[in-house]
Amino acid sequence: NAGVTQTPKFRILKIGQSMTLQCTQDMNHNYMYWYRQDPGMGLKLIYYSVGAGITDKGEVPNGYNVSRSTTEDFPLRLELAAPSQTSVYFCASKEDRMGNQPQHFGDGTRLSIL
Amino acid sequence: DAKTTQPPSMDCAEGRAANLPCNHSTISGNEYVYWYRQIHSQGPQYIIHGLKNNETNEMASLIITEDRKSSTLILPHATLRDTAVYYCIVRVDNGNQFYFGTGTSLTVIP
Repeated sequence: NAGVTQTPKFRILKIGQSMTLQCTQDMNHNYMYWYRQDPGMGLKLIYYSVGAGITDKGEVPNGYNVSRSTTEDFPLRLELAAPSQTSVYFCASKEDRMGNQPQHFGDGTRLSIL
Repeated sequence: DAKTTQPPSMDCAEGRAANLPCNHSTISGNEYVYWYRQIHSQGPQYIIHGLKNNETNEMASLIITEDRKSSTLILPHATLRDTAVYYCIVRVDNGNQFYFGTGTSLTVIP
């Protein structure tokens, strides 16, 4: 049982490049989340999904896109990388059988835009 | 308006109890309080959560005040490996989003 797996662990991009951060979970959770964490700060929600085919914006969605074609996968897309998107990105999933279940987090992707 | 308020940093002697407070005065009646910790910028690790009753598991205890406006996470016998940033988290407006805040950086001192 791997939990939440994020790839890659590290990436350096040039300004204007695009990339997809991958997130997959093997717990059959319907709820999935993408957060970013800037140095010394807490996590801020970018996008979330309550099930396959359903996504919604979080607190800081500008510059990002998501899709959710399967229960397992929730990729995050950066179309035109900007220095302000340098951050650590965390994916999380949650069982929704009971509304109070906690989120399970991946180990993060450290992204630098130069 | 902050959903949660935590002291930015705390120290605790190794082997002693660490008591980490959190203020969540705007919490609604059916919202849970969750506690996570983050070690060396790894992914946040779930610790414990509760609604109104005190909770205990193998990692920690959670004390929630009767009015539910604040809570305290207790690590009964802190070790050096408990040095981390601890986040008190609540759901935002009963929706699908959670507010993390900036957490408390706990340093366990030998």
